[in-house]
Amino acid sequence: EAGVAQSPRYKIIEKRQSVAFWCNPISGHATLYWYQQILGQGPKLLIQFQNNGVVDDSQLPKDRFSAERLKGVDSTLKIQPAKLEDSAVYLCASSLDMGTYSGNTIYFGEGSWLTVV
Amino acid sequence: AQSVSQHNHHVILSEAASLELGCNYSYGGTVNLFWYVQYPGQHLQLLLKYFSGDPLVKGIKGFEAEFIKSKFSFNLRKPSVQWSDTAEYFCAVNAPDNNDMRFGAGTRLTVKP
Repeated sequence: EAGVAQSPRYKIIEKRQSVAFWCNPISGHATLYWYQQILGQGPKLLIQFQNNGVVDDSQLPKDRFSAERLKGVDSTLKIQPAKLEDSAVYLCASSLDMGTYSGNTIYFGEGSWLTVV
Repeated sequence: AQSVSQHNHHVILSEAASLELGCNYSYGGTVNLFWYVQYPGQHLQLLLKYFSGDPLVKGIKGFEAEFIKSKFSFNLRKPSVQWSDTAEYFCAVNAPDNNDMRFGAGTRLTVKP
């Protein structure tokens, strides 16, 4: 079974520039998540989609971060303008749906590593 | 909101040593508990999970974890570690009404051959 695909894997940008990350979830998974993982910390949820609707974006810094999942499959996370503190790994994850039952595992992609200089 | 504490930041063991990684969570209600592993350069993988039933949960690669409700703990154990267990281990929790995973800061395990 194909996993969660993310690109690019690595990106270095200067502060105030913009960057976009792409995610393709596992086929058939309705729920998609974007997490931010800063070095030395655990992943933190930025935004959660159910199909093409936003379920939770309470921890998304909306002044600079945006995300969309227009057709309910692929998703894009954008940062504009980037700050030094945005240096992190951006993890995309997906699950069958939103429920918290035992079989509804969240699968993670390999992440997109962002360095802002 | 729930939170997770992992008290060991970096653990160094020799092969064949026993492992126990601590995880404590803060939440007043029923929770689901998870351990994820991240091998160098790879994505997060589910090691084991607890939803209900037997508090001693067995996962992949010989790992197990015990849920102790009175102590709000879900410690990860392995009787004999191997060099290939070198990785970062994350404890996570979600509440039944919220699939938002809250992760601990992670514990880096280094196993010396």
